[in-house]
Amino acid sequence: SAVISQKPSRDICQRGTSLTIQCQVDSQVTMMFWYRQQPGQSLTLIATANQGSEATYESGFVIDKFPISRPNLTFSTLTVSNMSPEDSSIYLCSVDGPGANYGYTFGSGTRLTVV
Amino acid sequence: AQSVTQLGSHVSVSEGALVLLRCNYSSSVPPYLFWYVQYPNQGLQLLLKYTTGATLVKGINGFEAEFKKSETSFHLTKPSAHMSDAAEYFCAVGNDYKLSFGAGTTVTVRA
Repeated sequence: SAVISQKPSRDICQRGTSLTIQCQVDSQVTMMFWYRQQPGQSLTLIATANQGSEATYESGFVIDKFPISRPNLTFSTLTVSNMSPEDSSIYLCSVDGPGANYGYTFGSGTRLTVV
Repeated sequence: AQSVTQLGSHVSVSEGALVLLRCNYSSSVPPYLFWYVQYPNQGLQLLLKYTTGATLVKGINGFEAEFKKSETSFHLTKPSAHMSDAAEYFCAVGNDYKLSFGAGTTVTVRA
């Protein structure tokens, strides 16, 4: 299965600032996904990122708050903008495609704390 | 629309005992079903998946799950718990390349 490197692994940020999270895959993948896991809760899909097109956002998530880039088939970024303490969560990148064999490989996540 | 219900947010088992984690789903189309494990401060690791074919699916670390369409269930079992099985387990249903997760079940293993 694909191997995902996600950076940073954790960060503490001031409210009102922005953080960009990077997701690098060791093979070309068609689809990349960004999930949020709020403290003590399950995972919620934020958006789907395909190369060459704008990301598709799920209900409750908007591009202005969570802009996503997908410049090629192995890389994506998620930015958490104008952060508030409510954005404190684990953000996870996931991939599917030829390298993942429909198994949805996940990165190790970015643990974000907003103070 | 699709959703997942995991029965029991916490399960405690003795080492060597059976592990049973319950998952029921709803899906408007034939589902793809997954179990993931999350160890503390780590990402998710795929335990096993059901897409088509054999309804009894074997995964890593001795886990297996059975897809029962009539019961809309996909329960996860392991015959003998090990201390290293202590983690959080998520059931998920996939449709159109999107995953919907259950709330998760935390497993503790008693020595």
